[in-house]
Amino acid sequence: KAGVTQTPRYLIKTRGQQVTLSCSPISGHRSVSWYQQTPGQGLQFLFEYFSETQRNKGNFPGRFSGRQFSNSRSEMNVSTLELGDSALYLCASSPNLGTGELFFGEGSRLTVL
Amino acid sequence: QQQVKQSPQSLIVQKGGISIINCAYENTAFDYFPWYQQFPGKGPALLIAIRPDVSEKKEGRFTISFNKSAKQFSLHIMDSQPGDSATYFCAASNYIQGAQKLVFGQGTRLTINP
Repeated sequence: KAGVTQTPRYLIKTRGQQVTLSCSPISGHRSVSWYQQTPGQGLQFLFEYFSETQRNKGNFPGRFSGRQFSNSRSEMNVSTLELGDSALYLCASSPNLGTGELFFGEGSRLTVL
Repeated sequence: QQQVKQSPQSLIVQKGGISIINCAYENTAFDYFPWYQQFPGKGPALLIAIRPDVSEKKEGRFTISFNKSAKQFSLHIMDSQPGDSATYFCAASNYIQGAQKLVFGQGTRLTINP
C-alpha cells in the first residue's frame, strides 16, 4: 500500500505570497491531519479533516486554512506568508477518527524569504 | 494543560546500552500515548503506543512504561543500536466529540555511539 504522499516536497516563497500544499492519504484512510514542525516549537497541530469536514483546529491564525475532498485528499493553504511560517508541514492520515494512529508523509518544506 | 513535557532534549548512549526517554502530562483526559521515531528528511513513524489501562507494553527492544498516578510515561530502548539514532517524540491524545488532537513532546535527539 502506498504511503502518505505530500507535494511539493520543497518550495521557496517570499513574504506576502500564498502557498497551497497537497496531501494524498493512504488508500482507505478517511482522516487527514496537518502539523507544522519547526526546531523551536516542535510539532504543532494545525487541523484535522474527516469526510470533508474540519473536525478540529489548532491555535493558528486564520491565514492557515485547509480542506478535504470527497476522495479524502487534502490541501492546506497559507496566505500572506510571514518569515515565521518557514517550517516542515506534515500531513498524516488515519483509517478513521479516534484510532489515535497517525501515518505521516515526508512533509513539505516551506522556506519564506 | 495540553502540554506534554519530554526529557532529555538530547541523549548519547553507547551501543548495547539502554536508552530512556521520559514524558509527563497534565491532562487526565488523555487516553492514548504513542511514541514516534523520526529520521532526518522523513516524517515521524509510529513506534509503539499504550493506553492507560496497562502499565507496560513491550515490542521487541522497545518498551513503554506508564505511571497513571504520576502522569508520566517513558520509552526504554534495550540493546540500543546505531540504527536507533533518530529523534523520538512522545505524544498524548484524547478523542472528544468527534475530534482528536495529538499533542507532541518537544522531541529527544538520540545518538547511539558504535
